[in-house]
Amino acid sequence: DGGITQSPKYLFRKEGQNVTLSCEQNLNHDAMYWYRQDPGQGLRLIYYSQIVNDFQKGDIAEGYSVSREKKESFPLTVTSAQKNPTAFYLCASSTLPRDRVSYEQYFGPGTRLTVT
Amino acid sequence: AQTVTQSQPEMSVQEAETVTLSCTYDTSENNYYLFWYKQPPSRQMILVIRQEAYKQQNATENRFSVNFQKAAKSFSLKISDSQLGDTAMYFCACLNNAGNMLTFGGGTRLMVKP
Repeated sequence: DGGITQSPKYLFRKEGQNVTLSCEQNLNHDAMYWYRQDPGQGLRLIYYSQIVNDFQKGDIAEGYSVSREKKESFPLTVTSAQKNPTAFYLCASSTLPRDRVSYEQYFGPGTRLTVT
Repeated sequence: AQTVTQSQPEMSVQEAETVTLSCTYDTSENNYYLFWYKQPPSRQMILVIRQEAYKQQNATENRFSVNFQKAAKSFSLKISDSQLGDTAMYFCACLNNAGNMLTFGGGTRLMVKP
């Protein structure tokens, strides 16, 4: 099956610890994204990457870091500098714009991170 | 910068009836794309329908259709013959022309009642 996988589904950490969320896709998409969702709210963009070894900050990048060493993988690290890390994190991927046409993003199932 | 506003935090509809969810947006892009995503209790984001801003014809997808009013920057979603499985959060979103910035509204929680 083609799709996006995120693991684990639930993650618990103590305050002050860094934690890495996994995102893998086998859709052969060039672009990948990380979003944060807080209760009762929409999604906000943390980071995105359109090519291996390159990534750009989104609206709320502070306290987060990413890497893109492989096309299929885009892990997100939530560092101890992130003041309110407890949230639902969604990874997405898409084809790059082509011939003046942009394409929709496909989402993974998400990871619920709880930091206490 | 783009903004997306959904003014209805919650709505309900009787099964088999029709409901319309509202969305307004603002963007400085000449070309852009609009989407409605559904998020059921599983929290998986599912694409419902998309609309290219340069197309005048409103998009339809089975029971789902949009009313795209470009001048008013309005993009409402109409769900016909509502089903219990339509119960979910619905998010309106705007994608810029470069395809790298997808901005979401705050969502509308839709409850379909039997």
